[in-house]
Amino acid sequence: NAGVTQTPKFQVLKTGQSMTLQCAQDMNHEYMSWYRQDPGMGLRLIHYSVGAGITDQGEVPNGYNVSRSTTEDFPLRLLSAAPSQTSVYFCASSPQKREYNEQFFGPGTRLTVL
Amino acid sequence: EDKVVQSPLSLVVHEGDTVTLNCSYEVTNFRSLLWYKQEKKAPTFLFMLTSSGIEKKSGRLSSILDKKELFSILNITATQTGDSAIYLCAVEAPASGNTPLVFGKGTRLSVIA
Repeated sequence: NAGVTQTPKFQVLKTGQSMTLQCAQDMNHEYMSWYRQDPGMGLRLIHYSVGAGITDQGEVPNGYNVSRSTTEDFPLRLLSAAPSQTSVYFCASSPQKREYNEQFFGPGTRLTVL
Repeated sequence: EDKVVQSPLSLVVHEGDTVTLNCSYEVTNFRSLLWYKQEKKAPTFLFMLTSSGIEKKSGRLSSILDKKELFSILNITATQTGDSAIYLCAVEAPASGNTPLVFGKGTRLSVIA
């Protein structure tokens, strides 16, 4: 199993550009989520999905869109990038079982918006 | 509003020291508390705690949960430079607003030789 994969690893955008961060998992996990991590702020939830076709907003959803057409993929779209979106983005998945709900994290995408 | 508070925010110790990291929480509908270690990249799972008073142990690391006082501690004995990392505490609280897993800001541990 590859686990959780993310692409790209690094990205530089200009203000106003759009892009999609890719996330895929091959563990058949129902739950997937996107976090951003900023210095001194911990991990903050952007959007999450409890299954294909179902998404919901997290703590900091503004400026981001998601979709979940398959169990495996959960892309994060930046519609019009802003410098405030400079951050490290982590995708995670978990089996959402009552007795065991470890989150598996992808390697992260470091995004810089100029 | 759900919150998870970790202390201290940063800590510098010498190799061989024992450290205790703290995590307190205020959430509705608590289900579990998780500890992660984050080195240079993604967080990696350490422990999941659901019951009070039952210690989880893995090598030199151990953790315990107090559901009455709403906190958990992570102990690391005989620290090594490889323990240097950010330690994240997260609380699973389904149906609590729109953030089913709430993270603290982390404790940055630096172990010096």
